[in-house]
Amino acid sequence: DAGVIQSPRHEVTEMGQEVTLRCKPISGHDYLFWYRQTMMRGLELLIYFNNNVPIDDSGMPEDRFSAKMPNASFSTLKIQPSEPRDSAVYFCASSPDRLTANSPLHFGNGTRLTVT
Amino acid sequence: EDQVTQSPEALRLQEGESSSLNCSYTVSGLRGLFWYRQDPGKGPEFLFTLYSAGEEKEKERLKATLTKKESFLHITAPKPEDSATYLCAVQARYDKIIFGKGTRLHILP
Repeated sequence: DAGVIQSPRHEVTEMGQEVTLRCKPISGHDYLFWYRQTMMRGLELLIYFNNNVPIDDSGMPEDRFSAKMPNASFSTLKIQPSEPRDSAVYFCASSPDRLTANSPLHFGNGTRLTVT
Repeated sequence: EDQVTQSPEALRLQEGESSSLNCSYTVSGLRGLFWYRQDPGKGPEFLFTLYSAGEEKEKERLKATLTKKESFLHITAPKPEDSATYLCAVQARYDKIIFGKGTRLHILP
């Protein structure tokens, strides 16, 4: 199993541009989470899906952020327009079932976003 | 509001010097407490899940314990390869997972 795959690994863009981050969860995992990590705020939950349906998006900072999961093997997080304060590492994580000791979160290696 | 606080923010130890990391939490209806390890440039990696006060889990030099208000990650005789950021997370209502900011641990050879 290749694990959770995120792309790109690094993204540098200018303020005002659209940014799209991509995630392929582990096959068979029903839950998908998007997190953002900064030194100041740590890991923040942005949104999570269950069986491709968004369950809780209360962590999405504002309308500039949107996430989709068109099928069980692909999700995107889009920022439009991007701002310098969006600079962070964005992680995608998946889990096979209701979170338990036997099915914890499996994280990708993140996308480091820099907005200049 | 559900909250997770970890201390200290950073810790430097000599190789072999045992210590403990703290995770205090305020959550309505704790369903589980998780410990993760994060290496630079990588995503967090799962270590333990604890469900109820009094529970303990061990893995090599690490032992996690849980009370009604906090969890400890005890590190016994650490080695340089134990250097990492250790993250605590709680599972609150539904399936929402809330993370603390982590403790950066550095073990000096």
